[in-house]
Order: sequence, then C-alpha cells, then structure tokens
Amino acid sequence: KAGVTQTPRYLIKTRGQQVTLSCSPISGHRSVSWYQQTPGQGLQFLFEYFSETQRNKGNFPGRFSGRQFSNSRSEMNVSTLELGDSALYLCASSLESPPRNTEAFFGQGTRLTVV
Amino acid sequence: GQNIDQPTEMTATEGAIVQINCTYQTSGFNGLFWYQQHAGEAPTFLSYNVLDGLEEKGRFSSFLSRSKGYSYLLLKELQMKDSASYLCAVEGFQKLVFGTGTRLLVSP
Repeated sequence: KAGVTQTPRYLIKTRGQQVTLSCSPISGHRSVSWYQQTPGQGLQFLFEYFSETQRNKGNFPGRFSGRQFSNSRSEMNVSTLELGDSALYLCASSLESPPRNTEAFFGQGTRLTVV
Repeated sequence: GQNIDQPTEMTATEGAIVQINCTYQTSGFNGLFWYQQHAGEAPTFLSYNVLDGLEEKGRFSSFLSRSKGYSYLLLKELQMKDSASYLCAVEGFQKLVFGTGTRLLVSP
C-alpha cells in the first residue's frame, strides 16, 4: 500500500510570505501528526489531528496552523515566514490517536528554506 | 514538562555491539519508541516498549525500565548501513515526544 505522501518535497520562500504543506496519510489511517525537524532541536511536535479534529498542539506560535479533511489528508500553514522557520517538516500517520500501541509512519518531509 | 536525553553522537566499528541510551522525564507515559533515520530520509520504526524488559528483534533489541525512566537500544553485529540517527520517542499524554537523536557512525 502507498506510504505517507508529503508535497512539495522542497520549497523556497521569502520572509513574510506564507506557505501551505500537504500530507496524505496511509489509506485507513485517521491520525496525522506534524513535526518540525532542525539540526539543533531534533523533532519538535507541532500538532496532531484525528478525524478532522485537532487533538493536541505543541509549543509553536499561532503562525503555525493546520487542518484535516474528511479523507484524512492534512495541511499545515505557516504565515509571516521567518528565517528560523527553515526546517524539514515531517508528517506522520497512524491508525489511532495516542495512546496507541502501533507505530507512526513518516513521510519523506518537506524541506522549507526561508530566505 | 517533557525532557528526553540521548547522547549526541557515538562511533563504533563494523561487527561490534553498541548501546544507545535514552533517559526521559515526561508527563504521562504510554510507551517508548525507537526510530532510525538515515540522512535525508524519513524516520522508520524500529521498536516499541510499553512494559519493562527487553524486546528483541533480529540484530536490534530495546530495553525499558519505567521506574528509572530509562531505555536503551542495542545494535549487534554492526553493519555500515547502520550509520544513521537513532531517535528515542516517548508517547505521553496524547502526543509523541522525540529526543534530539543519536548519530551513530559505523567505521570499517
């Protein structure tokens, strides 16, 4: 079966712009989580959606938002981009929302560079 | 609060055994995951521990002690392809929290 698909793979934006990233989970998975990965901070949790509802949110400013559609596909949006937003954004899908006893499957990520 | 500690980098030689430690302090605990991430690639699942003890899966084993807030990943018969980052992640209250990862370099 198809894995987790994230688009686009690479993106270059200018400070002040906004960006929308997309994640299509594995078929049948209803939970989608987003992470920001930077060399110094590792994977930082952004938010998690389950059945179109945001279940949990990490410690990121309100410029970071997301949503999930009825087909479980998810988007995250970052407005008023800052240089520090340059990172790899990873999406992970799983059958259930935490707590769960199955692993999360990650997409290849979107590499965002803000110049 | 959430705090997960792993060594930043480790080196080992091909054929050897290496143990990567992870200590954690989290609000809520439902389980602990280990993921492997090669440079430029997505993290992939290695193991999951929810009860104390050792889980063995081929060359990889993972241990958990909930009372000590401690886990380790044991890699045996190291191969060059094992050079990667190893991420410890704790599932707490409704979210999966990752450590910063341990970069393992395997040399011939």
